[in-house]
Amino acid sequence: QVQLVESGGGVVQPGKSLRLSCAVSGFTFDNYGMHWVRQAPGKGLEWVANIWYDGTHTYYADSVKGRFTISRDNSKNTLFLQMNNLRAEDTAVYYCARAEYTSSPSDYWGQGTLVTVSS
Amino acid sequence: QSALTQPASVSGSPGQSITISCTGTSRDVGGYNYVSWYQQPPGNAPKLIIFEVTNRPLGVSNRFSGSKSGNTASLTISGLQTEDEADYYCASYTSVNAQVFGTGTTVTVL
Repeated sequence: QVQLVESGGGVVQPGKSLRLSCAVSGFTFDNYGMHWVRQAPGKGLEWVANIWYDGTHTYYADSVKGRFTISRDNSKNTLFLQMNNLRAEDTAVYYCARAEYTSSPSDYWGQGTLVTVSS
Repeated sequence: QSALTQPASVSGSPGQSITISCTGTSRDVGGYNYVSWYQQPPGNAPKLIIFEVTNRPLGVSNRFSGSKSGNTASLTISGLQTEDEADYYCASYTSVNAQVFGTGTTVTVL
């Protein structure tokens, strides 16, 4: 069955960096694009970034553009989110989600990993 | 990119029907038939229940239905059940190759 498992979350100081991973199984990873979506504590969902199936195109929310980088390693069935210059407002649960195209809905989601930005 | 607008809460009695609205602009909801809806029970990850405005993934109850008129999409839950209590989010593809979510609606079964 399709599984997505995020890791790499934790507590980090403002201005520092963190790299999230999403290991997938149960489907042909390099046939699908992927999204990162986050949810601040007690708040709604916010789309963060998208990457095409082959990694050639990436798209970002304005709130993270220039600070976050989405990437993937299709040989390892793994999606990444490199987060630099973190701010308190980046505190959230980060979900990876499968989406065939940038316009596609997210049909499978991981359980999320919590990132807390605090001094 | 501003979030799509949803009512904060909607409630209904078991067996009733409720409708949740999702209002955007011509650059997102109104411009594309790429509106989806997600159900998120407390403490859980979101689950896709409607895609491309009206389509249900396999295994999703036919009590959930979607529609769109102009810049507003809607989710209707028929025959409301206690298990339907959750947060619901709409989402849309946008003209700048992005996705945007709605503000979220909490559904309460009275």
